[in-house]
Amino acid sequence: SQKIEQNSEALNIQEGKTATLTCNYTNYSPAYLQWYRQDPGRGPVFLLLIRENEKEKRKERLKVTFDTTLKQSLFHITASQPADSATYLCVTGNNRKLIWGLGTSLAVNP
Amino acid sequence: ETGVTQTPRHLVMGMTNKKSLKCEQHLGHNAMYWYKQSAKKPLELMFVYNFKEQTENNSVPSRFSPECPNSSHLFLHLHTLQPEDSALYLCASSQDLLTGTLNTEAFFGQGTRLTVV
Repeated sequence: SQKIEQNSEALNIQEGKTATLTCNYTNYSPAYLQWYRQDPGRGPVFLLLIRENEKEKRKERLKVTFDTTLKQSLFHITASQPADSATYLCVTGNNRKLIWGLGTSLAVNP
Repeated sequence: ETGVTQTPRHLVMGMTNKKSLKCEQHLGHNAMYWYKQSAKKPLELMFVYNFKEQTENNSVPSRFSPECPNSSHLFLHLHTLQPEDSALYLCASSQDLLTGTLNTEAFFGQGTRLTVV
């Protein structure tokens, strides 16, 4: 079946370090992949979109990679801050379907 | 502030009640969505509207009834819900359909935390 898998366990890192979150997909050929941030009790907020023909995308301290051979996207937050603590959701889409991941909880400790 | 407003933020209702969730966007988007988010589960797409027309209903029980009177407003009418329907209900909008080829992003509201007792 088509699915997305994100790190199921919460990620705890020290402030200033780089956080790396993983999104793997199976039995699916996405045209693009997006990352969203969600804080408790709130709706997700869009962060970055990367298309199938792009290897890497950056936005300020954020970087996303997309490897269609490995069927994987990595999401990096450099120089992490406590304010980056949240759940990060991966979603892939093509012209037929959209599939959301469960999300990975990130805690950045001061 | 994402430009998508949901009301109410919290709702407690009995199983025999009738209530409605409201969503409003003034972003000029053509597509609007209702999602259900339960603990330990990914976002579940419930309904999709594109240019006010319902384009998708993901086998949602009839106790959930959507309404889209215009391109800026979306409602979710609730009646005779079950305790397992308790969840965070999220409304979202996008310029074009998320499953289209234009790779558009979704703008979510803050959600309505629904508790069915």
